[in-house]
Amino acid sequence: AQTVTQSQPEMSVQEAETVTLSCTYDTSESDYYLFWYKQPPSRQMILVIRQEAYKQQNATENRFSVNFQKAAKSFSLKISDSQLGDAAMYFCAYRGSQGNLIFGKGTKLSVKP
Amino acid sequence: ETGVTQTPRHLVMGMTNKKSLKCEQHLGHNAMYWYKQSAKKPLELMFVYNFKEQTENNSVPSRFSPECPNSSHLFLHLHTLQPEDSALYLCASSPHYQGALSTDTQYFGPGTRLTVL
Repeated sequence: AQTVTQSQPEMSVQEAETVTLSCTYDTSESDYYLFWYKQPPSRQMILVIRQEAYKQQNATENRFSVNFQKAAKSFSLKISDSQLGDAAMYFCAYRGSQGNLIFGKGTKLSVKP
Repeated sequence: ETGVTQTPRHLVMGMTNKKSLKCEQHLGHNAMYWYKQSAKKPLELMFVYNFKEQTENNSVPSRFSPECPNSSHLFLHLHTLQPEDSALYLCASSPHYQGALSTDTQYFGPGTRLTVL
């Protein structure tokens, strides 16, 4: 069975600085998708960024980028120029051939002004 | 606003009560999902509906009963719950059920915070 591990329960970053959230996963599949979701205190979970495993190029969405290391089964999220509104729970998720999203436990990110 | 709404946002119920959670999506999607989010645990998929048909039931106790009358609405009927069922219940939708690999993304509602006394 696939698993997703987020080893950092909490992280903190200074406003305007850069922070990297870690995620590793375990799978025997070669084709799959990886996601980072953000859940602010209001609780509505929104998609931050998505990576297709067959693509070698790391996905980027404005200040958010990933470091996808397929061989190492690592999928970290980098947030550049952190803003107060980035404070939230961040969930890494995996979707393979079965189609279901498998989530990690999440990382709580705090942004200090 | 992601187009997925849930009501109520907060619910407190006794173990003998019967209540229902409602989810509505305004995105024209065909697949809808119920997740349970407990503290310090990964999100747990409970049910999946695709074109109003239940396609997944992840060993959820029968005290949780889903209903999907149409592709836009999803209910979770609750009866004789236990205190350990207290959690945030999230609804999500996607264009299709992602049984086959696709680029479909799930859109989440704000959740219902359920407390069982």
